[in-house]
Amino acid sequence: NAGVTQTPKFQVLKTGQSMTLQCAQDMNHNSMYWYRQDPGMGLRLIYYSASEGTTDKGEVPNGYNVSRLNKREFSLRLESAAPSQTSVYFCASRVAGGTPEAFFGQGTRLTVV
Amino acid sequence: RKEVEQDPGPFNVPEGATVAFNCTYSNSASQSFFWYRQDCRKEPKLLMSVYSSGNEDGRFTAQLNRASQYISLLIRDSKLSDSATYLCVVWSNNDMRFGAGTRLTVKP
Repeated sequence: NAGVTQTPKFQVLKTGQSMTLQCAQDMNHNSMYWYRQDPGMGLRLIYYSASEGTTDKGEVPNGYNVSRLNKREFSLRLESAAPSQTSVYFCASRVAGGTPEAFFGQGTRLTVV
Repeated sequence: RKEVEQDPGPFNVPEGATVAFNCTYSNSASQSFFWYRQDCRKEPKLLMSVYSSGNEDGRFTAQLNRASQYISLLIRDSKLSDSATYLCVVWSNNDMRFGAGTRLTVKP
């Protein structure tokens, strides 16, 4: 039972490069989230998808795009990476209705140089 | 003002101590409240939900005061394994907001 799987786990990018962070969950959850975590800032919501086919901006969406490819997968794209996007990125999912407990992937450590 | 605020600590306590963490939130329409635990370089994991009536899970007690928009977590008889960062989480309408976390170190 994999839960929430993120790839890659580590990535170094040069300023201006693009990349896509992948996230997949096998728990049949409706809602999925992308967060970034920076020292002293806690987790900040970038985008979320309440259900397949919908996406909404969170607190810090600038510089990112997302795609809810299907119920299982929610990807995060950096079109032109900047050093300010150096962070740890977490994907999470939760079932709609009932307890809103979220399950997290193991994180992607991204460094932009 | 941040939506969810916590004392960042660090809290350094001896084994067996009782320690309390506080959290305040700004959105009065928030619906659900949680404490998550995050170990160093790991993902956050749910510790416990927080209910208006207060709830207890072993050595952990969580309290919610909606009027004051305040959440607390009490850990009794601290163990070395309790060392972690504790995140206050506030949820409303599919939007989960996290506090910056309170770091706890329990020492022998």
